[in-house]
Amino acid sequence: QLQLQGSGPGLVKPSETLSLTCTVSGGSISTTGYYWGWIRQPPGKGLDWIGTIYYSGATYYNPSLKSRVTLSVDTSTNQFSLKLSSVTAADTAVYYCVRLISGSGQYYWGQGTLVTVSS
Amino acid sequence: QSALTQPASVSGSPGQSITISCTGTSSDVGNYNVVSWYQQHPGKAPKLMIYEASQRPSGVSNRFSGSKSGNTASLTISGLQAEDEADYYCCSYAGSYTWVFGGGTQVTVL
Repeated sequence: QLQLQGSGPGLVKPSETLSLTCTVSGGSISTTGYYWGWIRQPPGKGLDWIGTIYYSGATYYNPSLKSRVTLSVDTSTNQFSLKLSSVTAADTAVYYCVRLISGSGQYYWGQGTLVTVSS
Repeated sequence: QSALTQPASVSGSPGQSITISCTGTSSDVGNYNVVSWYQQHPGKAPKLMIYEASQRPSGVSNRFSGSKSGNTASLTISGLQAEDEADYYCCSYAGSYTWVFGGGTQVTVL
């Protein structure tokens, strides 16, 4: 069964870079037709799509975050990663790593990682 | 790319049916049949309930159904049960490999 496990610092200082990694188990990150990505949820608020990446390295970002976001994939370790630069308190959120089945809108979610931006 | 519009809250009594709307534009909901719905209980990750506007994944109760007309998608829960009390989010393809979510609807079972 597919499992997505996010990991990374739970506390990041303002203006620094938030870095998270998602480890995929129970399936290959190189499977055709699957995209991998991140969705976040600020405390008490709704869901915010950050972006997705294909195993080839092709990336797709939310236009509102594009200037600060970088996604990467490592097929040798079955992991993909998120970097969000110049963070502020508004970036405090639970960050979910997800798998998307191409063309269908079917997102499968990991358990989420809370990241707090504070000095 | 603006968030899709959902009512903040919907409520119903056990056994009743409720419908949650999700309104977008001709750039997202109205242009693609790729709308999905997610259920989220407090402290939990969202769970897929409907995809491609009206398709139900294996394991999801047939009390959940989806539809779409024009720029608005809808999720209907029939035979409302206490366990259905949760937040529900719609999500639509918005072109150029991007996606947009609704603001979420809190469902209360009276």
